[in-house]
Amino acid sequence: EAGVAQSPRYKIIEKRQSVAFWCNPISGHATLYWYQQILGQGPKLLIQFQNNGVVDDSQLPKDRFSAERLKGVDSTLKIQPAKLEDSAVYLCASSLEGGSSYEQYFGPGTRLTVT
Amino acid sequence: GDSVTQMEGPVTLSEEAFLTINCTYTATGYPSLFWYVQYPGEGLQLLLKATKADDKGSNKGFEATYRKETTSFHLEKGSVQVSDSAVYFCALSDLGNSGNTPLVFGKGTRLSVIA
Repeated sequence: EAGVAQSPRYKIIEKRQSVAFWCNPISGHATLYWYQQILGQGPKLLIQFQNNGVVDDSQLPKDRFSAERLKGVDSTLKIQPAKLEDSAVYLCASSLEGGSSYEQYFGPGTRLTVT
Repeated sequence: GDSVTQMEGPVTLSEEAFLTINCTYTATGYPSLFWYVQYPGEGLQLLLKATKADDKGSNKGFEATYRKETTSFHLEKGSVQVSDSAVYFCALSDLGNSGNTPLVFGKGTRLSVIA
């Protein structure tokens, strides 16, 4: 089966610009996650969706980050305006459901560099 | 809040050497524990997991035992291969107040195995 797809793979922007990332989860997976992985650190959850509803966005910087999952399938994560500290790899993951017994499958990530 | 601490890297070993990567955790509830692996150029993959005390997760020759008394989940392999070179992440999933179970990751340990 196809894995989690993400695009673009790499993006370089200047600070104060906007950027959007796209994720297509594994077919049939109800739960979708966006993580931020800063260099030298482990991934940190930004937002979790169950179908097209938000389950947890407590660590999403809502003044500049937004995310949506229209129709409960694809998702986009947007940053506007970007700051230097947003330079990181943005990982998308999906799972059948949201419980810990369900394995999360990760995409290859989008590496963002803000200059 | 919940947290995971794993040993600093990088770790460099010769082929067929014994591997231990230490991982300890703090959690408010009774978490499930995981090891994820990230091979060069690839996304995060689940390596093994354990969901209750004294459970042993195993896969590809790697093992880790859920030790509740020491809040630890150390990763071990008896004989490493060059192909095991990767970054290893310890993670936990605890039942949050809202019923969701986000993954909390350690910082990762880079392993390099030389022939």
